[in-house]
Amino acid sequence: EVHLVQSGGGLVKPGGSLRLSCAASGFTFSVFSMNWVRQSPGKGLEWVSSISASGDSIYYGDSLKGRVTIFRDNAENSVYLQINNLRVADTAVYYCVRNLSRFDYWGQGTLVTVSS
Amino acid sequence: QSVLTQPPSVSAPPGQKVTISCSIRSSTFPNHYISWFQQLPGAAPKLLIYDNNKRPSGIPDRFSSSQSGTSATLDITGLEPGDEADYYCGAWDNRLAQVLFGGGTKVTVL
Repeated sequence: EVHLVQSGGGLVKPGGSLRLSCAASGFTFSVFSMNWVRQSPGKGLEWVSSISASGDSIYYGDSLKGRVTIFRDNAENSVYLQINNLRVADTAVYYCVRNLSRFDYWGQGTLVTVSS
Repeated sequence: QSVLTQPPSVSAPPGQKVTISCSIRSSTFPNHYISWFQQLPGAAPKLLIYDNNKRPSGIPDRFSSSQSGTSATLDITGLEPGDEADYYCGAWDNRLAQVLFGGGTKVTVL
Protein backbone atom coordinates (compact mmCIF):
# COMPACT_ATOMS: atom_id res chain seq x y z
CA GLU A 1 0.00 0.00 0.00
CA VAL A 2 1.28 3.43 -0.95
CA HIS A 3 2.07 5.73 1.96
CA LEU A 4 3.37 9.29 1.91
CA VAL A 5 4.16 10.47 5.43
CA GLN A 6 4.94 14.13 5.80
CA SER A 7 6.77 16.01 8.50
CA GLY A 8 8.43 19.34 9.11
CA GLY A 9 5.57 21.81 9.32
CA GLY A 10 4.96 24.24 12.14
CA LEU A 11 5.00 27.87 13.21
CA VAL A 12 7.65 30.05 11.62
CA LYS A 13 8.29 33.79 11.82
CA PRO A 14 8.22 35.87 8.63
CA GLY A 15 11.58 35.70 6.93
CA GLY A 16 12.31 32.29 8.41
CA SER A 17 12.98 29.01 6.66
CA LEU A 18 11.49 25.56 6.80
CA ARG A 19 12.19 22.17 5.30
CA LEU A 20 9.28 19.85 4.65
CA SER A 21 9.88 16.13 4.32
CA CYS A 22 7.87 13.37 2.71
CA ALA A 23 8.78 9.73 3.34
CA ALA A 24 7.42 7.29 0.79
CA SER A 25 6.74 3.59 1.14
CA GLY A 26 4.79 0.85 -0.61
CA PHE A 27 6.11 1.54 -4.11
CA THR A 28 9.37 1.90 -6.03
CA PHE A 29 10.07 5.52 -5.18
CA SER A 30 12.91 5.99 -7.66
CA VAL A 31 10.68 5.56 -10.73
CA PHE A 32 8.06 8.16 -9.84
CA SER A 33 8.07 11.92 -10.15
CA MET A 34 6.98 13.76 -7.02
CA ASN A 35 5.20 17.03 -6.36
CA TRP A 36 4.31 19.55 -3.70
CA VAL A 37 0.91 21.26 -3.66
CA ARG A 38 -0.32 23.74 -1.08
CA GLN A 39 -3.70 24.94 0.09
CA SER A 40 -4.14 28.19 1.99
CA PRO A 41 -6.90 28.24 4.62
CA GLY A 42 -10.28 28.17 2.92
CA LYS A 43 -8.73 28.36 -0.53
CA GLY A 44 -8.12 26.06 -3.48
CA LEU A 45 -5.18 23.93 -4.51
CA GLU A 46 -1.99 25.60 -5.68
CA TRP A 47 0.88 23.73 -7.32
CA VAL A 48 4.27 24.50 -5.78
CA SER A 49 6.88 22.27 -7.41
CA SER A 50 7.63 18.97 -9.15
CA ILE A 51 10.72 16.82 -9.54
CA SER A 52 11.33 13.98 -11.96
CA ALA A 53 12.10 10.44 -10.85
CA SER A 54 15.83 10.90 -11.25
CA GLY A 55 15.82 14.45 -9.95
CA ASP A 56 17.19 15.77 -13.22
CA SER A 57 14.11 17.81 -14.11
CA ILE A 58 12.64 20.29 -11.68
CA TYR A 59 9.73 22.66 -12.08
CA TYR A 60 8.48 25.48 -9.89
CA GLY A 61 5.26 27.42 -9.74
CA ASP A 62 5.33 31.19 -9.80
CA SER A 63 4.15 31.73 -6.23
CA LEU A 64 7.29 30.47 -4.49
CA LYS A 65 9.84 30.59 -7.31
CA GLY A 66 13.17 31.91 -6.06
CA ARG A 67 12.38 31.01 -2.45
CA VAL A 68 11.87 27.29 -2.75
CA THR A 69 13.99 24.25 -3.57
CA ILE A 70 12.71 20.75 -4.20
CA PHE A 71 15.04 17.78 -3.93
CA ARG A 72 14.87 14.08 -3.37
CA ASP A 73 16.92 11.24 -1.97
CA ASN A 74 16.03 8.03 -3.77
CA ALA A 75 18.17 5.99 -1.38
CA GLU A 76 16.04 7.28 1.50
CA ASN A 77 12.74 7.19 -0.44
CA SER A 78 12.12 10.80 0.46
CA VAL A 79 11.35 14.11 -1.17
CA TYR A 80 11.90 17.48 0.43
CA LEU A 81 10.80 21.08 0.04
CA GLN A 82 13.02 23.82 1.39
CA ILE A 83 11.24 27.18 1.70
CA ASN A 84 13.17 30.33 2.52
CA ASN A 85 12.15 33.88 3.35
CA LEU A 86 8.71 32.74 4.40
CA ARG A 87 5.84 35.20 4.19
CA VAL A 88 2.50 35.33 5.98
CA ALA A 89 0.88 34.49 2.62
CA ASP A 90 2.76 31.17 2.61
CA THR A 91 0.58 29.94 5.47
CA ALA A 92 -1.00 26.79 4.11
CA VAL A 93 -1.29 23.05 4.30
CA TYR A 94 1.43 21.59 2.11
CA TYR A 95 0.81 18.22 0.44
CA CYS A 96 3.32 15.79 -0.96
CA VAL A 97 1.89 14.08 -4.06
CA ARG A 98 3.10 11.20 -6.21
CA ASN A 99 3.32 11.24 -9.98
CA LEU A 100 3.35 14.45 -12.03
CA SER A 101 1.11 13.03 -14.74
CA ARG A 102 -1.59 11.76 -12.38
CA PHE A 103 -1.20 13.17 -8.82
CA ASP A 104 -2.44 9.75 -7.76
CA TYR A 105 -1.45 9.57 -4.10
CA TRP A 106 -1.44 12.42 -1.60
CA GLY A 107 0.25 12.72 1.75
CA GLN A 108 -1.70 13.70 4.82
CA GLY A 109 -0.61 17.30 4.54
CA THR A 110 1.46 19.40 6.91
CA LEU A 111 0.45 22.82 8.17
CA VAL A 112 2.90 25.68 7.82
CA THR A 113 1.93 28.79 9.74
CA VAL A 114 3.91 31.97 9.14
CA SER A 115 3.25 34.51 11.85
CA SER A 116 5.13 36.89 14.09
CA GLN B 1 -1.28 31.77 -19.83
CA SER B 2 -3.52 28.75 -19.25
CA VAL B 3 -6.40 29.00 -16.83
CA LEU B 4 -8.78 26.30 -15.64
CA THR B 5 -12.17 27.73 -14.68
CA GLN B 6 -14.77 25.90 -12.61
CA PRO B 7 -18.15 27.00 -11.25
CA PRO B 8 -17.96 27.79 -7.50
CA SER B 9 -20.79 25.46 -6.58
CA VAL B 10 -23.34 22.97 -7.85
CA SER B 11 -26.10 21.12 -6.00
CA ALA B 12 -28.73 18.46 -6.51
CA PRO B 13 -30.88 16.11 -4.41
CA PRO B 14 -29.74 12.58 -3.56
CA GLY B 15 -29.92 10.19 -6.50
CA GLN B 16 -29.66 12.93 -9.08
CA LYS B 17 -26.77 13.97 -11.29
CA VAL B 18 -24.43 16.92 -11.13
CA THR B 19 -22.06 18.10 -13.80
CA ILE B 20 -18.96 20.15 -13.04
CA SER B 21 -17.29 21.97 -15.89
CA CYS B 22 -13.62 22.82 -16.26
CA SER B 23 -13.06 25.39 -18.95
CA ILE B 24 -9.57 25.53 -20.39
CA ARG B 25 -8.27 28.76 -21.86
CA SER B 26 -5.04 28.02 -23.62
CA SER B 27 -3.58 28.11 -27.08
CA THR B 28 -2.00 24.75 -26.35
CA PHE B 29 -5.15 22.94 -25.24
CA PRO B 30 -4.31 19.65 -26.96
CA ASN B 31 -1.40 19.29 -24.55
CA HIS B 32 -3.65 19.08 -21.48
CA TYR B 33 -4.62 15.79 -19.86
CA ILE B 34 -7.26 16.57 -17.27
CA SER B 35 -7.43 15.00 -13.85
CA TRP B 36 -10.19 15.39 -11.31
CA PHE B 37 -9.84 15.34 -7.53
CA GLN B 38 -12.29 15.05 -4.66
CA GLN B 39 -11.54 16.73 -1.34
CA LEU B 40 -13.81 15.73 1.50
CA PRO B 41 -14.04 18.17 4.43
CA GLY B 42 -10.85 18.10 6.47
CA ALA B 43 -9.15 15.53 4.24
CA ALA B 44 -6.43 15.47 1.62
CA PRO B 45 -7.54 15.49 -2.02
CA LYS B 46 -8.07 12.15 -3.73
CA LEU B 47 -7.65 11.32 -7.41
CA LEU B 48 -10.97 10.54 -9.13
CA ILE B 49 -10.12 10.72 -12.84
CA TYR B 50 -6.85 10.90 -14.76
CA ASP B 51 -5.89 11.17 -18.44
CA ASN B 52 -9.24 12.86 -19.15
CA ASN B 53 -11.47 9.85 -18.49
CA LYS B 54 -9.72 7.01 -16.64
CA ARG B 55 -10.72 5.98 -13.11
CA PRO B 56 -8.21 4.62 -10.59
CA SER B 57 -9.02 1.33 -8.95
CA GLY B 58 -11.73 1.72 -6.33
CA ILE B 59 -13.41 4.78 -7.82
CA PRO B 60 -17.04 3.94 -8.63
CA ASP B 61 -18.35 4.40 -12.13
CA ARG B 62 -20.78 7.00 -10.79
CA PHE B 63 -17.86 9.34 -11.46
CA SER B 64 -17.11 9.92 -15.13
CA SER B 65 -15.46 12.57 -17.22
CA SER B 66 -15.42 13.74 -20.79
CA GLN B 67 -13.78 16.44 -22.82
CA SER B 68 -15.17 18.47 -25.68
CA GLY B 69 -13.38 21.34 -27.33
CA THR B 70 -11.84 23.50 -24.63
CA SER B 71 -13.95 22.16 -21.78
CA ALA B 72 -13.85 19.08 -19.60
CA THR B 73 -16.71 17.89 -17.45
CA LEU B 74 -17.04 15.66 -14.42
CA ASP B 75 -20.38 13.91 -14.01
CA ILE B 76 -21.49 12.46 -10.69
CA THR B 77 -24.56 10.28 -11.04
CA GLY B 78 -26.65 8.72 -8.28
CA LEU B 79 -25.60 11.50 -5.94
CA GLU B 80 -24.99 10.40 -2.34
CA PRO B 81 -24.63 12.48 0.85
CA GLY B 82 -21.02 11.29 1.05
CA ASP B 83 -20.30 13.01 -2.26
CA GLU B 84 -20.49 16.41 -0.57
CA ALA B 85 -17.00 17.75 -1.13
CA ASP B 86 -14.89 20.15 -3.12
CA TYR B 87 -13.91 18.98 -6.59
CA TYR B 88 -10.91 20.24 -8.53
CA CYS B 89 -9.74 19.78 -12.09
CA GLY B 90 -6.04 19.82 -12.79
CA ALA B 91 -3.67 19.47 -15.71
CA TRP B 92 0.00 19.54 -16.63
CA ASP B 93 0.69 22.18 -19.26
CA ASN B 94 3.50 20.89 -21.48
CA ARG B 95 4.23 24.26 -23.04
CA LEU B 96 4.36 26.27 -19.83
CA ALA B 97 5.88 23.38 -17.82
CA GLN B 98 3.39 24.11 -15.09
CA VAL B 99 0.67 22.29 -13.22
CA LEU B 100 -2.68 24.05 -13.28
CA PHE B 101 -5.62 23.61 -10.93
CA GLY B 102 -9.12 24.93 -11.28
CA GLY B 103 -10.50 27.03 -8.45
CA GLY B 104 -12.64 24.18 -7.15
CA THR B 105 -16.36 23.44 -7.11
CA LYS B 106 -18.33 22.73 -3.95
CA VAL B 107 -20.91 20.00 -4.42
CA THR B 108 -23.89 20.14 -2.08
CA VAL B 109 -26.37 17.30 -1.76
CA LEU B 110 -29.71 18.90 -1.03
